[in-house]
Amino acid sequence: DVKVTQSSRYLVKRTGEKVFLECVQDMDHENMFWYRQDPGLGLRLIYFSYDVKMKEKGDIPEGYSVSREKKERFSLILESASTNQTSMYLCASSSGTGIVYSYEQYFGPGTRLTVT
Amino acid sequence: AQKVTQAQTEISVVEKEDVTLDCVYETRDTTYYLFWYKQPPSGELVFLIRRNSFDEQNEISGRYSWNFQKSTSSFNFTITASQVVDSAVYFCALSEAPTSYGQNFVFGPGTRLSVLP
Repeated sequence: DVKVTQSSRYLVKRTGEKVFLECVQDMDHENMFWYRQDPGLGLRLIYFSYDVKMKEKGDIPEGYSVSREKKERFSLILESASTNQTSMYLCASSSGTGIVYSYEQYFGPGTRLTVT
Repeated sequence: AQKVTQAQTEISVVEKEDVTLDCVYETRDTTYYLFWYKQPPSGELVFLIRRNSFDEQNEISGRYSWNFQKSTSSFNFTITASQVVDSAVYFCALSEAPTSYGQNFVFGPGTRLSVLP
């Protein structure tokens, strides 16, 4: 079975702090994704990566950055956390190269981040 | 632009009832993929099914079935003889060929299904 793990289930940070959310997958997937999920807005893509050291912006990249130094690990970074970044953050991975869009994504359990 | 609509925000049924979750999508591509995911109260999205645009055959998996109709741009999901464990938020998603190298994967807003004992 595909296993996607996230470093924390719950996280509370203060405004202005730098926040790191870690995601690890164990299925040798090429593609990894970060989403945020908010009530009424569904899932929105923040960033994704289709290869080590490669990244692409999603729909809402502002205020976030990412890092992918190893194939299995994809980190989301909030450079200076703000209260409007309080949300559920979901990491996902999928296999396939080239036709990235055709493959289903497998999700981690999510990190509920609260910024006070 | 691609879009996924799930008009039913919340549905409540009594156990053993059948229930259909609607999904309507918009895309200009001829090649695209449709997905359904389940998000139980634990929070982790679980992949249920993938369908490509060239395959309109309906699919059945146990109590789950999916009806894909290109003529109406719909990809509906039916649970037969619902059970309490089916209570979750269900998401429909669409993925189409990107215009540049990258992912174009859009989720609908989700339908919260409550199955009452």
